[in-house]
Amino acid sequence: AQSVTQLDSQVPVFEEAPVELRCNYSSSVSVYLFWYVQYPNQGLQLLLKYLSGSTLVESINGFEAEFNKSQTSFHLRKPSVHISDTAEYFCAVRRGGATNKLIFGTGTLLAVQP
Amino acid sequence: EPEVTQTPSHQVTQMGQEVILRCVPISNHLYFYWYRQILGQKVEFLVSFYNNEISEKSEIFDDRFSVERPDGSNFTLKIRSTKLEDSAMYFCASRGTSGSAPEQFFGPGTRLTVL
Repeated sequence: AQSVTQLDSQVPVFEEAPVELRCNYSSSVSVYLFWYVQYPNQGLQLLLKYLSGSTLVESINGFEAEFNKSQTSFHLRKPSVHISDTAEYFCAVRRGGATNKLIFGTGTLLAVQP
Repeated sequence: EPEVTQTPSHQVTQMGQEVILRCVPISNHLYFYWYRQILGQKVEFLVSFYNNEISEKSEIFDDRFSVERPDGSNFTLKIRSTKLEDSAMYFCASRGTSGSAPEQFFGPGTRLTVL
């Protein structure tokens, strides 16, 4: 069975500091990996995705994530955060093939402080 | 940019009543989903729907739950005999047909409160 682990429930960080949000998954088959962001009182927005190819994927707002098959990880990083990045971040996995569903982690609250 | 919409944004109901949550997926998408998020917990898969039938459902999706695509645009989740533990944020999502684009696009959610 697939599962996603986000070890950090909350990550406090000062503005302009770097941040890494950790995500590990378990699956014996190939997967698609996603990071979704949920701003306060809003729905889930796709931040970035790994489907295949280059293991480093980037979003338009400076986040990046690296797929590491040997460590079954897909950590999210940003070199310099802004107050506006404060949100809940969810890692999700979807198995390739017929299975449609996304399996989500428990989420990490990124709290950016001035 | 096309987006998934959901109505209402907040629904309050008495235990035992029926509720219908509505979603309008992105217009050219063919795969539809419902997820829920109990306050403070992870987002959980409920059901997926394709070609006018359920393709997969979770153990949460018991016989009180049903989904329907009554016309070409709406996708609904009906919960009969609501229970207190049904209180959650319910998200609708849709996905395109291309195998190279497996990402799901989510609506803003409906917060269901069962009293």
